[in-house]
Amino acid sequence: SQTIHQWPATLVQPVGSPLSLECTVEGTSNPNLYWYRQAAGRGLQLLFYSVGIGQISSEVPQNLSASRPQDRQFILSSKKLLLSDSGFYLCAWSDGGLETQYFGPGTRLLVL
Amino acid sequence: AQTVTQSQPEMSVQEAETVTLSCTYDTSESDYYLFWYKQPPSRQMILVIRQEAYKQQNATENRFSVNFQKAAKSFSLKISDSQLGDAAMYFCAYRRGATNKLIFGTGTLLAVQP
Repeated sequence: SQTIHQWPATLVQPVGSPLSLECTVEGTSNPNLYWYRQAAGRGLQLLFYSVGIGQISSEVPQNLSASRPQDRQFILSSKKLLLSDSGFYLCAWSDGGLETQYFGPGTRLLVL
Repeated sequence: AQTVTQSQPEMSVQEAETVTLSCTYDTSESDYYLFWYKQPPSRQMILVIRQEAYKQQNATENRFSVNFQKAAKSFSLKISDSQLGDAAMYFCAYRRGATNKLIFGTGTLLAVQP
């Protein structure tokens, strides 16, 4: 069966510091991968998605970037964090772009 | 632009009773998919149920079922025989047929009273 991992689970970072969040999927090949952000008390907002290695689509212009160095690895990065980057970040995968998306456990990011 | 509206910020139900969570959406598309996701206190999003717009039959998964009214653009979730473990935030989501993007509502927080 497929599993999706995210780390770290929780992160507290100062404003202006870099960020790297990692997501990996097991048990499938060539998945579509997604990064979402959930602000406090809100629904999820799609940030990036990827249909293959090195292929990244951005949904929202912002301080963040994404990369996919390996088939089942998806990384969310920032060179300099802003206070507004605080939130809950969820990675998801789907078996092809038109299939159901399944979510990882998420990372809580607090920028101080 | 497509939007998803959940008009009930909070709901409460007695254990073993039935509760219905509301969701409406706005789209001009004919090919789309609708989902209900559950987010418990752990905050991991868990798929509850999925409905394809081209299917007239309402989707059912054990105690969870939907009432899909395409003309009214309504997609409500019914939870039967509510259990304490059903307490969570529930999100309705929409995806246009040929896209990757899920659009989420703002959620309904469901409390289950023993």
